[in-house]
Amino acid sequence: NAGVTQTPKFQVLKTGQSMTLQCAQDMNHNSMYWYRQDPGMGLRLIYYSASEGTTDKGEVPNGYNVSRLNKREFSLRLESAAPSQTSVYFCASRVAGDLYEQYFGPGTRLTVT
Amino acid sequence: EDKVVQSPLSLVVHEGDTVTLNCSYEVTNFRSLLWYKQEKKAPTFLFMLTSSGIEKKSGRLSSILDKKELFSILNITATQTGDSAVYLCAVRVSGGGADGLTFGKGTHLIIQP
Repeated sequence: NAGVTQTPKFQVLKTGQSMTLQCAQDMNHNSMYWYRQDPGMGLRLIYYSASEGTTDKGEVPNGYNVSRLNKREFSLRLESAAPSQTSVYFCASRVAGDLYEQYFGPGTRLTVT
Repeated sequence: EDKVVQSPLSLVVHEGDTVTLNCSYEVTNFRSLLWYKQEKKAPTFLFMLTSSGIEKKSGRLSSILDKKELFSILNITATQTGDSAVYLCAVRVSGGGADGLTFGKGTHLIIQP
């Protein structure tokens, strides 16, 4: 049982390049989330998916797109990377209902130059 | 706009000391408050407090929620160097179709031997 996995662990992009961050969970969770964490800013919600086939914007969605490929996988895409998107990205998942504990992946450290 | 404020932002104490970390919030439709511990990787869940569970304890860690005054505290007694981490407070709200957590900026706790 690996929990929440993310790939890659590190990535350096040039401004304007695109890439997709992958996330998968093996806990049969319905809901999945993407957060970014910047120094001094805490974690901020980018997008979430309450169930397979649905996605919704969070607090900071601009510049990102997501895909809930199936129940296990939730990807985050940067179409045209900008230096302001340099951050650590965390994927999380949880079961449905009121047990709101979110399980986090190990994170992807992204640098855009 | 929902807001979660943690204090202090950083704290240095000696092993064996007791620490109190604070979290205040201003949100609409409060549902629950969660505490996470983050070492150099993904946040790990500590406690969830709701109106039906306003005090939690696990070993040397305990937390209370004051829904009237809109704050929570996390206490750590007999601190150890392994308690060094960033402690994150997050609030879940309900309604409006939104999901996900609103995080504070965290308290960086350093325990000196």
